[in-house]
Amino acid sequence: EIVLTQSPTTMAASPGEKVTLTCRASSSVSYMHWYQQRSGTSPKLWIYETSKLASGVPNRFSGSGSGTSYSLTINSMETEDAATYYCQQGSSYPLTFGSGTKLEIK
Amino acid sequence: QVKLLQSGAELVKPGASVKLSCKTSGFTFSTSYMSWLKQVPGPSIEWIGWIYAGDGGTNYNQKFKGKATLTVDKSSSTAYMDLSSLTSEDAAVYFCAMDNYGWFAYWGQGTLVTVSS
Repeated sequence: EIVLTQSPTTMAASPGEKVTLTCRASSSVSYMHWYQQRSGTSPKLWIYETSKLASGVPNRFSGSGSGTSYSLTINSMETEDAATYYCQQGSSYPLTFGSGTKLEIK
Repeated sequence: QVKLLQSGAELVKPGASVKLSCKTSGFTFSTSYMSWLKQVPGPSIEWIGWIYAGDGGTNYNQKFKGKATLTVDKSSSTAYMDLSSLTSEDAAVYFCAMDNYGWFAYWGQGTLVTVSS
């Protein structure tokens, strides 16, 4: 099973600040997918196949990476971006998720 | 548009079984893969398995074999998950999701399962 380790676990950012969330895989994967989840709601697909933004996702978000190291970047933090972000790999069964990064607004 | 509407919260006794449903619309269900996922606060999200609605073929996470059984009803575009021999470890929110080549484009709203006597 591929274990995904996200860092940091929790962070706070000020409006306008650049934010980078990291996801490391225990083995190489072809792509990484990211989800945003707000409290009490279901996860939403945010970035798929490493760098493709899901429908409706603002272009201040971007994704990058390869092999075992991937990241999600917010170019300029906004209040609405406060949420938990999960990475997920679909390259190997069982499909697995990271434990999430909780992003808060300062 | 795509909708996945899950059944309501369940309170079940230890040792009992429960069947969750996920009624879909807005896409071609009969050629879709539907996954089920489990979320417990802290430990994150676990993938339980998928079912191909076309022929009922399944692929389970080894961890959930014997615990979860996935089925579909093509006539009503509904996916189901049976959970058996429930314990406190099965208490969680369960989601259905449309599986798109290993990622999940659309999710249901989730069903809370509470296990208590």
